[in-house]
Amino acid sequence: SQTIHQWPATLVQPVGSPLSLECTVEGTSNPNLYWYRQAAGRGLQLLFYSVGIGQISSEVPQNLSASRPQDRQFILSSKKLLLSDSGFYLCAWSPRGADTEAFFGQGTRLTVV
Amino acid sequence: GDSVTQMEGPVTLSEEAFLTINCTYTATGYPSLFWYVQYPGEGLQLLLKATKADDKGSNKGFEATYRKETTSFHLEKGSVQVSDSAVYFCALSSGTYKYIFGTGTRLKVLA
Repeated sequence: SQTIHQWPATLVQPVGSPLSLECTVEGTSNPNLYWYRQAAGRGLQLLFYSVGIGQISSEVPQNLSASRPQDRQFILSSKKLLLSDSGFYLCAWSPRGADTEAFFGQGTRLTVV
Repeated sequence: GDSVTQMEGPVTLSEEAFLTINCTYTATGYPSLFWYVQYPGEGLQLLLKATKADDKGSNKGFEATYRKETTSFHLEKGSVQVSDSAVYFCALSSGTYKYIFGTGTRLKVLA
């Protein structure tokens, strides 16, 4: 069966520090991969998605970047964190093809102080 | 672009009450529709889905019917339990690799 791993679960970082969140998927190949952010009390904002290695689409201009160095690995990064980067970050994957749902990781709670 | 609008919460109900959470969508083409549930501090779990008009998705006593004529996918449950307290998200996928979510509706069920 397929599983998605996302880490760390919680992270407290000072303003101006770098960020690296990692997500890996097991049990499938060539998945679509996604990073979402959920601000406190708000909905999900799609940040990045990827349909293949090295292929990254950005939905919102911001202080973050994403990379997909391997087929089932998706990394969210920042060179210098801002206070506004605080939130709950969710990685997700979906199989290729239409009419399928997305599967989510457990999320990372990022607090920038 | 595609969008999902769902009723704002919080929704507070007594145990065994009837639940409706409204969801409407705007999309080009024929999207698939989903309801996800999020428990505190966790990721999202798929609750149910429907992939074409008039389909009814159901799971754990929850139901939603894909209504193309009213572009709606309202979530219903006949008798809620305290354990149903969570945030519920309506979402769509229209074949562009992207999943578009509503803002979420917090449900609180009181014993």
